[in-house]
Amino acid sequence: DVKVTQSSRYLVKRTGEKVFLECVQDMDHENMFWYRQDPGLGLRLIYFSYDVKMKEKGDIPEGYSVSREKKERFSLILESASTNQTSMYLCASSLTGSNYGYTFGSGTRLTVV
Amino acid sequence: KNQVEQSPQSLIILEGKNCTLQCNYTVSPFSNLRWYKQDTGRGPVSLTIMTFSENTKSNGRYTATLDADTKQSSLHITASQLSDSASYICVVSAGRGGGNKLTFGTGTQLKVEL
Repeated sequence: DVKVTQSSRYLVKRTGEKVFLECVQDMDHENMFWYRQDPGLGLRLIYFSYDVKMKEKGDIPEGYSVSREKKERFSLILESASTNQTSMYLCASSLTGSNYGYTFGSGTRLTVV
Repeated sequence: KNQVEQSPQSLIILEGKNCTLQCNYTVSPFSNLRWYKQDTGRGPVSLTIMTFSENTKSNGRYTATLDADTKQSSLHITASQLSDSASYICVVSAGRGGGNKLTFGTGTQLKVEL
């Protein structure tokens, strides 16, 4: 069974901390994505990557960075966590091509206090 | 601006009943439309993907329709079960080739009761 695995289901961090969210996929997908999901706003794209060491900004990249050193791993980094980054974070991966679906991880519920 | 609007925002139905969820979009150029099911506290799971030339697609008790002329889609759930309780998200893909951009609706929250 193909999988996208996010390292933590729940995370509580303090304001100003550096936070790492890890995502690993075992499907040899080229593309990986980080979204955040907030009530009433739907999923919003933070960053995505089409290849190793490659990254592109999504719609809301401010306050975030990413790293993709290996094809299967895509990390989201909050350089200095703030309370407005409290959210559900979802990682996804896909093959290249317009009609391939996305496989999502189970999400990480991050609370910044 | 690309937008995806879903209705209703929430819905409660009795087990065994049918229901239909709506999705209207203004996305250009249209590539495909997807419906996802998201259980509480979990990531979305794909139900269907439809391209411009497809006007209906089924996945078990789920049937999605697409009218590319009116830019509307619906998801029909037949003989609902308690396990259908979830958020259903409509997602429209814009663009050509591998550089597609997804626009997500905010979802319809469905609750199936006994």
